[in-house]
Amino acid sequence: KAGVTQTPRYLIKTRGQQVTLSCSPISGHRSVSWYQQTPGQGLQFLFEYFSETQRNKGNFPGRFSGRQFSNSRSEMNVSTLELGDSALYLCASSLSSLGETQYFGPGTRLLVL
Amino acid sequence: DAKTTQPTSMDCAEGRAANLPCNHSTISGNEYVYWYRQIHSQGPQYIIHGLKNNETNEMASLIITEDRKSSTLILPHATLRDTAVYYCIVRPLIQGAQKLVFGQGTRLTINP
Repeated sequence: KAGVTQTPRYLIKTRGQQVTLSCSPISGHRSVSWYQQTPGQGLQFLFEYFSETQRNKGNFPGRFSGRQFSNSRSEMNVSTLELGDSALYLCASSLSSLGETQYFGPGTRLLVL
Repeated sequence: DAKTTQPTSMDCAEGRAANLPCNHSTISGNEYVYWYRQIHSQGPQYIIHGLKNNETNEMASLIITEDRKSSTLILPHATLRDTAVYYCIVRPLIQGAQKLVFGQGTRLTINP
């Protein structure tokens, strides 16, 4: 089975712009979670989607949003980018929203200039 | 979620067993112990998880103490490719518990 895929792998944006990141889960997995990793804050949970519904949300401002499509693929969007949004954005998928093992993708590295 | 405590860093010689401890003294009865590792700038890789029995798979063994307040991840024959940050996480297996809370982890260095 193919693993979790994330596109793009690398991205450079400037302050004020917006960005959309994409995640394709493992085939058959219906839950997708997003995480942000920075050197200062470590790995932090952004949100989780299951059956096209946001099930759980971390402590991030409203500039961070996401959605999930009927094929379980997910996108996350960050609007009005700030320098501090530079990070590795990770997507993880699991079979459902029942706490099963999550499998991570390679991440998208975002640099905001 | 229960808090975990891990040593900041550890070293191990190549070919030897690497034993990574984790303290989770406030773990609840329905919480599992999960281990992930992250090789530099890659996504975390799932290693193993367990509830109260010891577990083994092709990557590692997980030993959980009888009172479940601590556990040890064992990499039986460490190689240079096992150099990574190892995260111990406790989480319940219930609906809506998809949020993983990562601590700082243990930076394991395998030396030739």
